[in-house]
Amino acid sequence: GQQVMQIPQYQHVQEGEDFTTYCNSSTTLSNIQWYKQRPGGHPVFLIQLVKSGEVKKQKRLTFQFGEAKKNSSLHITATQTTDVGTYFCAGRRGDKIIFGKGTRLHILP
Amino acid sequence: DAGVTQSPTHLIKTRGQQVTLRCSPKSGHDTVSWYQQALGQGPQFIFQYYEEEERQRGNFPDRFSGHQFPNYSSELNVNALLLGDSALYLCASSLGQGDGELFFGEGSRLTVL
Repeated sequence: GQQVMQIPQYQHVQEGEDFTTYCNSSTTLSNIQWYKQRPGGHPVFLIQLVKSGEVKKQKRLTFQFGEAKKNSSLHITATQTTDVGTYFCAGRRGDKIIFGKGTRLHILP
Repeated sequence: DAGVTQSPTHLIKTRGQQVTLRCSPKSGHDTVSWYQQALGQGPQFIFQYYEEEERQRGNFPDRFSGHQFPNYSSELNVNALLLGDSALYLCASSLGQGDGELFFGEGSRLTVL
């Protein structure tokens, strides 16, 4: 079964509003990766977090890895129409990468 | 620099049939992982191939099998197809079995009727 939980499943925001998706694992992860999948496309790597409490930024995107290395979040500031898609977290446990079900972001014009 | 390529892009099969999907990894990559993505779901790990051997396997029955060739390309075979096997099958390549990012192909969309 799914061992990496992601919420919310869907999020509708007005363009310019912020967006956050959360990822939780039942066990400690060695690292966590985030991917974006545009409608009809394939997952594309965004970032990897390795250290406890790590925070990384990519322009309007901020990624955090929890102190216990069991949870993570992705925050987008001032969303744009190009941010539309599904955001997946993927936690590594041993040699396996386990994906969450994703959060589908829809931008209202 | 060619990325990950998969074939075919779309295919339709009937229950009980067998299917083979193909993947060529990104240039320089030696590890191939296969994922099944049902509509509205996240990618589910099927298995990973490295040095022509299956190294890791997810919760998939033996009907799912694979192979990796000396040039690092890979095949995914599914026997005795069920309606529930309808999904997007994604191939992801990476370098080694380490912690690097996965590079995904466009996927093969399988429909089982």
